[in-house]
Amino acid sequence: DSGVTQTPKHLITATGQRVTLRCSPRSGDLSVYWYQQSLDQGLQFLIHYYNGEERAKGNILERFSAQQFPDLHSELNLSSLELGDSALYFCASSVDNRNYGYTFGSGTRLTVV
Amino acid sequence: QKEVEQDPGPLSVPEGAIVSLNCTYSNSAFQYFMWYRQYSRKGPELLMYTYSSGNKEDGRFTAQVDKSSKYISLFIRDSQPSDSATYLCAMSAISGGYQKVTFGTGTKLQVIP
Repeated sequence: DSGVTQTPKHLITATGQRVTLRCSPRSGDLSVYWYQQSLDQGLQFLIHYYNGEERAKGNILERFSAQQFPDLHSELNLSSLELGDSALYFCASSVDNRNYGYTFGSGTRLTVV
Repeated sequence: QKEVEQDPGPLSVPEGAIVSLNCTYSNSAFQYFMWYRQYSRKGPELLMYTYSSGNKEDGRFTAQVDKSSKYISLFIRDSQPSDSATYLCAMSAISGGYQKVTFGTGTKLQVIP
């Protein structure tokens, strides 16, 4: 157990739907990062939050949004889902803003049918 | 051309062999270099990170960075079946005041007993 908790582990939903993925960072970590992993694209950075504030955006679609709450847990919202959104979604955390040495969660496998 | 290139493998070796995993990159601004191990259906786990050029050793693992050639390597000595996993390289550089991390697509390693 890495200390980063992601729920749910698996999610199957239909096209056009909206889902919320949840992440609890490792105790003491202030940064939360979201990544998408697909077979052909590898790990793609989506968004980074530090202590409740958005720090950086990567290749995140406008249909996707995220937030980090005062208790530091984070949620990634995916809406108007398309078949191509099927992927593994990972959350990672780190103690501060320095972007090396993340601790990853086990991921949420999203399947859009 | 991708910023970080990594041979996807798969790479099959007999138990006890020395394994060499490599990545090349094009961005000379990369400063931190990381290796992650990802078991099937799990999140990536940080193995090692190095700053700038040089070698770093941790048990059976040695990370090597050659910035002049834009080439990094991870060596695994006395490989074990438990080393069978996908190995991801990652690199970070400051871009627009933010430390951005770029991952390779991973090399799948299989160690055969």
